[in-house]
Amino acid sequence: DTGVSQNPRHKITKRGQNVTFRCDPISEHNRLYWYRQTLGQGPEFLTYFQNEAQLEKSRLLSDRFSAERPKGSFSTLEIQRTEQGDSAMYLCASSLSGSGYTFGSGTRLTVV
Amino acid sequence: QKEVEQDPGPLSVPEGAIVSLNCTYSNSAFQYFMWYRQYSRKGPELLMYTYSSGNKEDGRFTAQVDKSSKYISLFIRDSQPSDSATYLCAMSGGIDTDKLIFGTGTRLQVFP
Repeated sequence: DTGVSQNPRHKITKRGQNVTFRCDPISEHNRLYWYRQTLGQGPEFLTYFQNEAQLEKSRLLSDRFSAERPKGSFSTLEIQRTEQGDSAMYLCASSLSGSGYTFGSGTRLTVV
Repeated sequence: QKEVEQDPGPLSVPEGAIVSLNCTYSNSAFQYFMWYRQYSRKGPELLMYTYSSGNKEDGRFTAQVDKSSKYISLFIRDSQPSDSATYLCAMSGGIDTDKLIFGTGTRLQVFP
């Protein structure tokens, strides 16, 4: 197993465009988390899934953000009508209940 | 006031020094306490986790939790240049059952 995989590693987009990121968790992990990290700050929780069910969403996740985890495997995070304030590192993590998080290397989004 | 406070540094020490990293928190519901290491352009990597108050040692790393003071520490003995990274404290109400609240991270540089 190669760990948590995130694609793309870096995305540059124009303001107003939609972007989608993908996360492939460790295969046997049932929980999947999305965090956002801006420069000089710690990661901030966005949302998490247990299997295919989205169990919690942060207030940071505005209506322009949507996350899915079809069939409880990979997950996608979509941002519609991107704004410059969306520029950040988007981190995905997965876990098997009780075993602790493993983070991916993140997708760095730059909105110009 | 943030739930978790962490001095951002940077902290610069010579190789072989003992490093002390600290966080304070305000939410008495936190039960699990973690330290992550993050290299530039990488995702956080779990170093240590502890439950409730007490000490935990793993090689050159020792984590301490004092719930009465709402204060946690990470000590690194015999620091190495390869320890140069950002160290993030994180905490939650339950291991892997809830979102993590992170500190801002402390940037550590160990020079030869």
